[in-house]
Amino acid sequence: QKEVEQDPGPLSVPEGAIVSLNCTYSNSAFQYFMWYRQYSRKGPELLMYTYSSGNKEDGRFTAQVDKSSKYISLFIRDSQPSDSATYLCAMSGTLSGGSYIPTFGRGTSLIVHP
Amino acid sequence: DAGVIQSPRHEVTEMGQEVTLRCKPISGHDYLFWYRQTMMRGLELLIYFNNNVPIDDSGMPEDRFSAKMPNASFSTLKIQPSEPRDSAVYFCASSFVGEQFFGPGTRLTVL
Repeated sequence: QKEVEQDPGPLSVPEGAIVSLNCTYSNSAFQYFMWYRQYSRKGPELLMYTYSSGNKEDGRFTAQVDKSSKYISLFIRDSQPSDSATYLCAMSGTLSGGSYIPTFGRGTSLIVHP
Repeated sequence: DAGVIQSPRHEVTEMGQEVTLRCKPISGHDYLFWYRQTMMRGLELLIYFNNNVPIDDSGMPEDRFSAKMPNASFSTLKIQPSEPRDSAVYFCASSFVGEQFFGPGTRLTVL
C-alpha cells in the first residue's frame, strides 16, 4: 500500500457542479496537508494547505482534513472550465526544514465541461 | 523573479545516449528537488539538495542517474546511458520555507 492513495480519475463534471477530490493516507505523522494544481504541460502549483484537522476555505475552494480517518478532501464549488487540471494532494510531517519533504498522491484529473 | 527555470523543455534522444537536464532555482531558496512524473507512478522524488549538498538520493532509480549542484543557482540531472523507460517529465523544484515552487518540466522521450 502506498503512503498516499489518490484516484487518478478522470473526473468529468458539468460547469457549476460541486467537485469533491479525495486522498487517503497511512502515515499518522503527517501534520500538513496540501493541494497542488497542475495544468497540462505545466509544473504543479500550491493551491492550499491546512494544518492538522479541520477545514480551510479560500474562495470557491475548501480543504478538509479528518486525521482520525486519515482522509483529506478538496471541494470546489461552482466549478469552471478553467478548473480543469490535475489536482495532487501532498502531505508532510512539518512545513519547513529538513523533514519537510512532502509525499504526493498520483493526482486526480478533473475535467469541467461547459 | 522568473521562477524556477528548466532546460531543455523537450528532449528526444536515442537509447544509450547521455541526457543532461538543467535547473536554475529561485534565488534565495536553499532546497532544490528533482522529481520524475509518469502516468503510471505519478510524481516521484529522485533527489534533493540543501545548500548545494545532496541530502537524500534514495529515489534515484539506479546508477545511470546522477545529480549535481555546483552552486546555489544551478543543478543538473544526468542520465547515462538513457533507456526508453526513462521517458517521463522531469521537474525541478525549489523552496525556502514550506511551499515548493516547480519549474515547467523537461519532457524526455527516449527512443
